[in-house]
Amino acid sequence: QLQVQESGPGLVEPSETLSLTCSVSGGSISSMNYYWGWIRQPPGKGLEWIGSIYYGGTTYYNPSLESRVTISVDTSKNHFSLKMSSVTAADTAVYYCASVRLATVRAHFFGMDVWGQGTAVTVSS
Amino acid sequence: DIHMTQSPSSLSASVGDRVTITCRASQTINNYLNWYQQKPGKAPRLLIYAAYSLQSGVPSRFSGGGSGTDFTLTISSLQPEDFASYYCQQSYSPSLTFGQGTRLEIK
Repeated sequence: QLQVQESGPGLVEPSETLSLTCSVSGGSISSMNYYWGWIRQPPGKGLEWIGSIYYGGTTYYNPSLESRVTISVDTSKNHFSLKMSSVTAADTAVYYCASVRLATVRAHFFGMDVWGQGTAVTVSS
Repeated sequence: DIHMTQSPSSLSASVGDRVTITCRASQTINNYLNWYQQKPGKAPRLLIYAAYSLQSGVPSRFSGGGSGTDFTLTISSLQPEDFASYYCQQSYSPSLTFGQGTRLEIK
């Protein structure tokens, strides 16, 4: 059964780079049926999609975060990663990774069907 | 970007009630509309994908409807475990967007 799990530091200093990794188990990150995504949720607020990546390296980013975000994939380690630069207190959130299922029409998606438990990241000095 | 608007933002209801949450997209998204349930301190859970397809393991009291720009999530008979937050999400564009959420509370 497919599972994903986030890992990374829980505290990041302002202006530094946030780095998280999502490990995929029970399936291959090289599946043709999935993209892999990052989502975040600030305390008490709603869900915000950060970006998605395909095993071949194709990426899509939230336009509001694109200038600061890089998502990469390592198929040999079956994981994908998030880097967000120049963080501020506004980036404090629970960060989730998830599988994003491709639709039959490949330009679209059928939703995020497997989620990690989330990892809390606080930006503070 | 495709903007998603949910209503209501919060809703009070009783066990056994039938409730409907609506979601409107700023442009047509065909049927690429998904619904998630989130309980406090937990990750979201996919309930409905492609507007009306029930995700495996989700109870049949949950149903989705709509097409184009207007969509609904209906819970036919509320159970105690259904009190949670609900989010819609469009997946027509690869730049995915969520609605702001609906908090379903016990009356």
